[in-house]
Amino acid sequence: SQQGEEDPQALSIQEGENATMNCSYKTSINNLQWYRQNSGRGLVHLILIRSNEREKHSGRLRVTLDTSKKSSSLLITASRAADTASYFCATTGGYQKVTFGTGTKLQVIP
Amino acid sequence: EAQVTQNPRYLITVTGKKLTVTCSQNMNHEYMSWYRQDPGLGLRQIYYSMNVEVTDKGDVPEGYKVSRKEKRNFPLILESPSPNQTSLYFCASAYGGASNQPQHFGDGTRLSIL
Repeated sequence: SQQGEEDPQALSIQEGENATMNCSYKTSINNLQWYRQNSGRGLVHLILIRSNEREKHSGRLRVTLDTSKKSSSLLITASRAADTASYFCATTGGYQKVTFGTGTKLQVIP
Repeated sequence: EAQVTQNPRYLITVTGKKLTVTCSQNMNHEYMSWYRQDPGLGLRQIYYSMNVEVTDKGDVPEGYKVSRKEKRNFPLILESPSPNQTSLYFCASAYGGASNQPQHFGDGTRLSIL
């Protein structure tokens, strides 16, 4: 399996704190995307970072990519209770095949 | 409203009884894909399609079939379901391909094979 891994598997923080989750992958990529999933629902796209980018921001989200280490991180700043969800990274290599990470379950305590 | 629609949302069936899960998108997307989600394993890609009549295997294609006869539809067929195919299934679509575009996901189909 070429599946990526995410770390930590679960994270519990207080509202207002920052949350950082990491993703490692195994093969060369065209881009890396982060998705969010609320409790068994469909995934929602958050942000895409291309293989030639090192950092990208979108609102309270900051994503970094280190292709030499085959890793990415997602930072959510000033977390809110509504950020409680599972977060997945997804990579796409050749032939449009997509590989998801195992996910980080984030709980934000009000 | 732009959406990916899967049916049924829930299904309990028995081993060996052929079933089809339908997926339809109204965004004129070229790329469509099926995933299964199991606890601790994240999402794993079953099959994907770049356009009509073009399909390719993902990481876990065994026991599944797909077809892409129309751009908007991408059904997932389990010819002889087995208990190890009990899972939560998601269909997704993307404009162009999954490389540079976000995927839009359906709400999921929960299959139980007894």
